[in-house]
Amino acid sequence: LAKTTQPISMDSYEGQEVNITCSHNNIATNDYITWYQQFPSQGPRFIIQGYKTKVTNEVASLFIPADRKSSTLSLPRVSLSDTAVYYCLVVVNAGNNRKLIWGLGTSLAVNP
Amino acid sequence: DVKVTQSSRYLVKRTGEKVFLECVQDMDHENMFWYRQDPGLGLRLIYFSYDVKMKEKGDIPEGYSVSREKKERFSLILESASTNQTSMYLCASSYPFGLADTDTQYFGPGTRLTVL
Repeated sequence: LAKTTQPISMDSYEGQEVNITCSHNNIATNDYITWYQQFPSQGPRFIIQGYKTKVTNEVASLFIPADRKSSTLSLPRVSLSDTAVYYCLVVVNAGNNRKLIWGLGTSLAVNP
Repeated sequence: DVKVTQSSRYLVKRTGEKVFLECVQDMDHENMFWYRQDPGLGLRLIYFSYDVKMKEKGDIPEGYSVSREKKERFSLILESASTNQTSMYLCASSYPFGLADTDTQYFGPGTRLTVL
């Protein structure tokens, strides 16, 4: 069964690029990876989703290597407001349904 | 803009009480979810519903039940609250998996439940 592993915490400074990696062994070719951001006292919010290679939107990029055993969320030029917890989610096909496998979250602290 | 609302932000109950947590979404989503979130344990799925009156157990359903009588509303029920159910409870909704461009889950603000 797939499992997701991500670092517990990371530190960065304003203006830097931050890369958060999630390891997820045993995912199938049609299982996809999603990242969420959560601020204190709020529910998580969708950032980006992808199956393979690279996906980019206005806030982040997601890199998925060919073996799909990991994925990297890239936040360009972070600001203080990017301080949050970032969750990796893998949605796997389990028979007629889907199983949601969440990482435990990476607490990102962006310093001035 | 998608809105998922939860009936309370904070709730204090006593051991043995029956507790109802309600969630309402306004996006006509088929899927609805209940999670609990505890420090160091991330998000854990309690129950999932993919249609009215349909439900599936998540990873930690013990001690909980759910009800979905209308598409927009998903209730989480603690039949007899215990102190180990003190937690943050998050509701979410989404389109059916694989139907939309992304399987985005939209989350409510959460209910912090304390059981004394």
